[in-house]
Amino acid sequence: NAGVMQNPRHLVRRRGQEARLRCSPMKGHSHVYWYRQLPEEGLKFMVYLQKENIIDESGMPKERFSAEFPKEGPSILRIQQVVRGDSAAYFCASSPSGAAGTATGNTIYFGEGSWLTVV
Amino acid sequence: EDKVVQSPLSLVVHEGDTVTLNCSYEVTNFRSLLWYKQEKKAPTFLFMLTSSGIEKKSGRLSSILDKKELFSILNITATQTGDSAVYLCAVRTSGGSNYKLTFGKGTLLTVNP
Repeated sequence: NAGVMQNPRHLVRRRGQEARLRCSPMKGHSHVYWYRQLPEEGLKFMVYLQKENIIDESGMPKERFSAEFPKEGPSILRIQQVVRGDSAAYFCASSPSGAAGTATGNTIYFGEGSWLTVV
Repeated sequence: EDKVVQSPLSLVVHEGDTVTLNCSYEVTNFRSLLWYKQEKKAPTFLFMLTSSGIEKKSGRLSSILDKKELFSILNITATQTGDSAVYLCAVRTSGGSNYKLTFGKGTLLTVNP
């Protein structure tokens, strides 16, 4: 039973380039979340998506960041024109339904993260 | 704004010691508190707590929630080097944003042989 799969695990980009991070949720999960972990900070919610819909993007910077979860294929977090402050670990998580943590069977599961370094 | 504070931020112990990690929170419409273990990769789920005073146990790990005083503790007895990790506490609220977890900064536990 494959868990949440993220790639790439590590990504180095120069300032001004684009970063694309991919996430395939666990089998049977249709709800995807992206969290960002800055150095020595806790995980911060960025965006919540269901298939073809963005439900809540309140934690995502208004500029340069976008996310999608198409009908087919993985969820993508896209960062345009990266800056040094974007260097962080980006974690994707999934759950069977949207009320994450309501019951043991609906716990949110995390991927291993994508570490973005902007040089 | 919802807030989760963990203490200590880091802790170094010897194998066999018992440790207690703390998590306090200030949130509106509390629903549940979750503990995760993170070892330089995916945070892995440990416990979910919704009711005060009911201890959850899994092997050498146990956790309890106090909804009156707004905190939880995670105990690890007879620590092993494999327990070395960052332990994350997160809170979920009820209502419109019940899918969102608010995390603390974590406690870095190092267990030396």
